[in-house]
Amino acid sequence: EAGVAQSPRYKIIEKRQSVAFWCNPISGHATLYWYQQILGQGPKLLIQFQNNGVVDDSQLPKDRFSAERLKGVDSTLKIQPAKLEDSAVYLCASSLDFLAAQENGYTFGSGTRLTVV
Amino acid sequence: AQKVTQAQTEISVVEKEDVTLDCVYETRDTTYYLFWYKQPPSGELVFLIRRNSFDEQNEISGRYSWNFQKSTSSFNFTITASQVVDSAVYFCALSEVLTGANNLFFGTGTRLTVIP
Repeated sequence: EAGVAQSPRYKIIEKRQSVAFWCNPISGHATLYWYQQILGQGPKLLIQFQNNGVVDDSQLPKDRFSAERLKGVDSTLKIQPAKLEDSAVYLCASSLDFLAAQENGYTFGSGTRLTVV
Repeated sequence: AQKVTQAQTEISVVEKEDVTLDCVYETRDTTYYLFWYKQPPSGELVFLIRRNSFDEQNEISGRYSWNFQKSTSSFNFTITASQVVDSAVYFCALSEVLTGANNLFFGTGTRLTVIP
């Protein structure tokens, strides 16, 4: 089974620029998560989708971050405008459903490493 | 509020030594799940184990073993006869069932270096 695909792998932008990350979850996985991992810290949930609906976006800085999963498959996370503190690895994860996530954890992608200069 | 503490920031061991990674958690929920993930240099998080709050039985999987103790709110991970391939950052995480969203709260991780 193919894993969670993310692109790009690396991105360097200047502050105040915009950037977008793409995630393609494992086929058939209804639940999709975006996590932010700042260097030296554990991942922190930004947003969770169930199919194309948002389940939890309480930690998403909505003034600059947005995410969508229009067809309930792949997802895009956008930052506009970026700040220096947004430098982090952005991880996408997916699970079959809520129960599967609790039973087996999520499957994570390799992440996109963003550097804001 | 939920919290996961991994007090060991970095650990170095010589190959074939045993090593234990500590994890202490806080939650008000009576039903929750605990996880360990491995993050190798490639960056993806690899699921290792899940434990629910009603199952305190310790588990062994090959060279890996986990000790869950509700009385001390700890979920420690031991690698026996460590190997160079075990070098990675290890994260302990908590998922609270009753919040409904089942997102994972991660600790800050322990970087394990196994020296050949």
